[in-house]
Amino acid sequence: QQQVKQSPQSLIVQKGGISIINCAYENTAFDYFPWYQQFPGKGPALLIAIRPDVSEKKEGRFTISFNKSAKQFSLHIMDSQPGDSATYFCAASKGSARQLTFGSGTQLTVLP
Amino acid sequence: GAVVSQHPSWVICKSGTSVKIECRSLDFQATTMFWYRQFPKQSLMLMATSNEGSKATYEQGVEKDKFLINHASLTLSTLTVTSAHPEDSSFYICSASLQLNTEAFFGQGTRLTVV
Repeated sequence: QQQVKQSPQSLIVQKGGISIINCAYENTAFDYFPWYQQFPGKGPALLIAIRPDVSEKKEGRFTISFNKSAKQFSLHIMDSQPGDSATYFCAASKGSARQLTFGSGTQLTVLP
Repeated sequence: GAVVSQHPSWVICKSGTSVKIECRSLDFQATTMFWYRQFPKQSLMLMATSNEGSKATYEQGVEKDKFLINHASLTLSTLTVTSAHPEDSSFYICSASLQLNTEAFFGQGTRLTVV
C-alpha cells in the first residue's frame, strides 16, 4: 500500500521558472511532512517541513502548501536554478520518531 | 545541522559473503536510528528501526536474519548483510534525529554491489 503518492515523476523547468511537485497521503495519523532533495549517490537532505496545523510555510525560494482536508501537500520552488536539478522526495511520519514514509520521487531538471 | 556519517561509502563483495555498514551520529546521541534501502531511480524504503540497547524492529518483508542490526551505543548502529547475493545490491542509507520531534538527518549512503 503506497501511503504517499507523488507526482509528477519527472519535471523540466526553465531557469527562473516555478517548479511544483505534488503529494497526497492516505494515513490521517501523519503529522509531519518534510521534503527532501537528493543528488545522485548522496543521502537525502531536508529542504523544508510542515505540520498539519499550518497551511503554508516558506523558506527562501521553497514553499510548502498544505491542504489537510484534501490530504495533499505540495512543494513550490520559485526562481528555479540549474543547481536545483535533483530528485525531490516528499515524506510523512507520525508521532515523535522520524520514521519516514517516502513518496516515489520527482526528478527535476532546470534548463539554463 | 547534525551530522550522520556512514562507512563505507561504497563496497563490493562476493556473493555469499557478509558485509557490515556503520552509521554514526557524530555530534549527538541517537537512541533511535533508521535504515532505508534505495534501488536505482526508486524511492527510499524503510527496512528497520534500530533501537539502542534493544532488538531492532523490522518492516514487513525484510528478513531479520539476513539484515542484522546492532545498536550497541548511542552513536553507532551497524547493518550487516549476511550471505549477500546480487539482488542485495542497493544503496543503503541510515538516518537519526537529535531528539524526538526534530528533523531526521541522513547519512551519505553506502552503495553495496554484490558480484
